[in-house]
Amino acid sequence: ETGVTQSPTHLIKTRGQQVTLRCSSQSGHNTVSWYQQALGQGPQFIFQYYREEENGRGNFPPRFSGLQFPNYSSELNVNALELDDSALYLCASSLEGNEQYFGPGTRLTVT
Amino acid sequence: AQKITQTQPGMFVQEKEAVTLDCTYDTSDPSYGLFWYKQPSSGEMIFLIYQGSYDQQNATEGRYSLNFQKARKSANLVISASQLGDSAMYFCAMREYEANNLFFGTGTRLTVIP
Repeated sequence: ETGVTQSPTHLIKTRGQQVTLRCSSQSGHNTVSWYQQALGQGPQFIFQYYREEENGRGNFPPRFSGLQFPNYSSELNVNALELDDSALYLCASSLEGNEQYFGPGTRLTVT
Repeated sequence: AQKITQTQPGMFVQEKEAVTLDCTYDTSDPSYGLFWYKQPSSGEMIFLIYQGSYDQQNATEGRYSLNFQKARKSANLVISASQLGDSAMYFCAMREYEANNLFFGTGTRLTVIP
């Protein structure tokens, strides 16, 4: 059984740029959730995708967008990057939204 | 109001001793689940234990147990026989029945002393 994987591991971007983060869900899981974890904080919910449709969104601006593909992998896109977007981005997969299993995260630094 | 409160920013425990990490929660939903995750310095959130609001018994998973006191809205994690590899951040989280997401606390950094 393959666990949740994320790419890239680390990323450095400049303010104003755009970034795409990728997540492959655990085998058999149809739901993917994205979280942002700022330094010294707990993860904050960005949004969730269930069977390729957005299924809930946290308090994040529209420049945070996502996609889920037929194989249930997912992308998180962030436009017009700001310094405060620097964080660890965690992807979690689950079956029907039940217990969530997290990937190793992508650490994004915006300079 | 914070949905999850973890009041201990840092805790120290002697190797082989037990330690309790505190968590209180706030919800008006009668159906919810409580989770504990471990986050080593590598960043990955590792699922430890789950307690449903209607579960009659406290959850246990190996050396982890959850001290669930519903009336007090607390869900403390007890780690028995601490090991050096237990040193990490520990997060308490809650999922309400109608919600799609987990609400996390701010975490407790546990350090196990040899």
